[in-house]
Amino acid sequence: GESVGLHLPTLSVQEGDNSIINCAYSNSASDYFIWYKQESGKGPQFIIDIRSNMDKRQGQRVTVLLNKTVKHLSLQIAATQPGDSAVYFCAENNAGGTSYGKLTFGQGTILTVHP
Amino acid sequence: DTEVTQTPKHLVMGMTNKKSLKCEQHMGHRAMYWYKQKAKKPPELMFVYSYEKLSINESVPSRFSPECPNSSLLNLHLHALQPEDSALYLCASSQESGGGLEQYFGPGTRLTVT
Repeated sequence: GESVGLHLPTLSVQEGDNSIINCAYSNSASDYFIWYKQESGKGPQFIIDIRSNMDKRQGQRVTVLLNKTVKHLSLQIAATQPGDSAVYFCAENNAGGTSYGKLTFGQGTILTVHP
Repeated sequence: DTEVTQTPKHLVMGMTNKKSLKCEQHMGHRAMYWYKQKAKKPPELMFVYSYEKLSINESVPSRFSPECPNSSLLNLHLHALQPEDSALYLCASSQESGGGLEQYFGPGTRLTVT
């Protein structure tokens, strides 16, 4: 069946380091991917998205890479800060051509940034 | 304004109670969603409304009843819930065709069923 998963459940880094969070997906028909950050007690917060016709997209301090050949997605955070500590979810859109999103979330990675 | 609001923030209810969760957005989004999230798990889709019509019901038990009174509001009516229904209930919204697919989430309602 369709699934979106993460390789590492936890990631611990020092402040100022770069962080890389990985995600594998299995539905080769997925055409849209999105990363969310969820802090304790809050709803998921949109970070960055990418469509399947791209392999890289950059935002402020974040970069998403998409490798369709191996069905792999990654989120790179530059100069990680303590405020980046949260659970990070990748999500795959499998709306089947509809105009709204039907997201399937990965299991999440806990990022801890040490000062 | 990219805000989705949800009320109440916390809710404790007995198994015989009837309660409702409310969600509101003023971004002009025409798709709205309910998700359920258990502790240390990812959000799981429950319902999708598109242009105020129910488009997706992910085989959710009938003790959960969604309602979309207008394009800005989404309700989730709860009746005869079970303790295992205790979870964080998240509302989200997104643009429809021509717009982005990114969903904007509210802060959630933390539900405890006793």
